[in-house]
Amino acid sequence: GAVVSQHPSRVICKSGTSVKIECRSLDFQATTMFWYRQFPKQSLMLMATSNEGSKATYEQGVEKDKFLINHASLTLSTLTVTSAHPEDSSFYICSARDRVFGGYTFGSGTRLTVV
Amino acid sequence: GQQVMQIPQYQHVQEGEDFTTYCNSSTTLSNIQWYKQRPGGHPVFLIQLVKSGEVKKQKRLTFQFGEAKKNSSLHITATQTTDVGTYFCAGISNTGNQFYFGTGTSLTVIP
Repeated sequence: GAVVSQHPSRVICKSGTSVKIECRSLDFQATTMFWYRQFPKQSLMLMATSNEGSKATYEQGVEKDKFLINHASLTLSTLTVTSAHPEDSSFYICSARDRVFGGYTFGSGTRLTVV
Repeated sequence: GQQVMQIPQYQHVQEGEDFTTYCNSSTTLSNIQWYKQRPGGHPVFLIQLVKSGEVKKQKRLTFQFGEAKKNSSLHITATQTTDVGTYFCAGISNTGNQFYFGTGTSLTVIP
């Protein structure tokens, strides 16, 4: 079945530094990838939608200069949390839509802790 | 904006009892998906419903999509401890290809 590899799975960084999270579709091409964040015991909140080769579309309230999304190829999207602060600590998860079959597959998520 | 609400937020049941979670959207959906997330894990796809009034079954799980395509339900018959987790619906609006997660229902099964 379709697999989405997301890494790192856990990262601890110092306040003010930047963290890059990668999301890669391993056996299918993803025209669209989604990035979510999830706070403890809450639902997944859509942050942005990225389409290969074009700028990401951000949801209302999500700072595009803070959460940089790059979708340079049909199999890779990255989310960079710039100048991270403790309030950015969260679980970030990506989802990729199969270009051919249209199904959605989630990555395993990244738990970010900013200290 | 798009809103997808789920009720109840939490549910505790005795093993063997039935469980139902309801999903309601503020707008008409093109389709709806259901996911299960175990504690500490990531959402795992369960099923997708596309047609108005559609009903699908997976063993003890029954999924329904409302006639107006604005609500859905997941029913589990005779719960087991392996059913523990949070169940999310995710709706895709008619206007775009994004999907928005419901607020989730956390299920606890007491042995």
